[in-house]
Amino acid sequence: GQSLEQPSEVTAVEGAIVQINCTYQTSGFYGLSWYQQHDGGAPTFLSYNALDGLEETGRFSSFLSRSDSYGYLLLQELQMKDSASYFCAVNNQGGKLIFGQGTELSVKP
Amino acid sequence: GAVVSQHPSWVICKSGTSVKIECRSLDFQATTMFWYRQFPKQSLMLMATSNEGSKATYEQGVEKDKFLINHASLTLSTLTVTSAHPEDSSFYICSARTGREAGELFFGEGSRLTVL
Repeated sequence: GQSLEQPSEVTAVEGAIVQINCTYQTSGFYGLSWYQQHDGGAPTFLSYNALDGLEETGRFSSFLSRSDSYGYLLLQELQMKDSASYFCAVNNQGGKLIFGQGTELSVKP
Repeated sequence: GAVVSQHPSWVICKSGTSVKIECRSLDFQATTMFWYRQFPKQSLMLMATSNEGSKATYEQGVEKDKFLINHASLTLSTLTVTSAHPEDSSFYICSARTGREAGELFFGEGSRLTVL
């Protein structure tokens, strides 16, 4: 089977740094993606790691350790607009994406 | 980024009727599209992989006779919810890869189905 685990919710204040962890168990692993979804909207791509290490894209960074089946999304300089759900997703053979349950991030003033 | 468009965005139908949702890739060709379903405050559940010119591949537990998928061209996949019931009410989202960006799926805007 396949499973991904991430915290259900996280709260932080504006300007802070937040790390959302994701552990996974899967077969046919090609990489770990992160998506953001605002209420009522479609998911939007944030980041992808195929190899171990850190990928940085502006205020967002993502890390992967394949040996530990673990990754995280790091959000820096939090803004109110970052309040959303964040999903980690495993890339499988055939291009499938299998999503975690999502982490609801609330950014407070 | 690439654009995937879904239609309709909202649909309300009576129990027992069928509803068709269209998913189009506007600026690229997609040999493969994916259909997801999402209930409120829950994750995106992969329903099926839609393959252009061949039968869709359904995930375990998804009724292929209830959720008909047709991928007739490289830019269009359709999902038909047949004999809809209130428990089919959900947010249905399609997605596709361009093949140029590793690890990235482009999602349509989603279609919110309410079955009365």
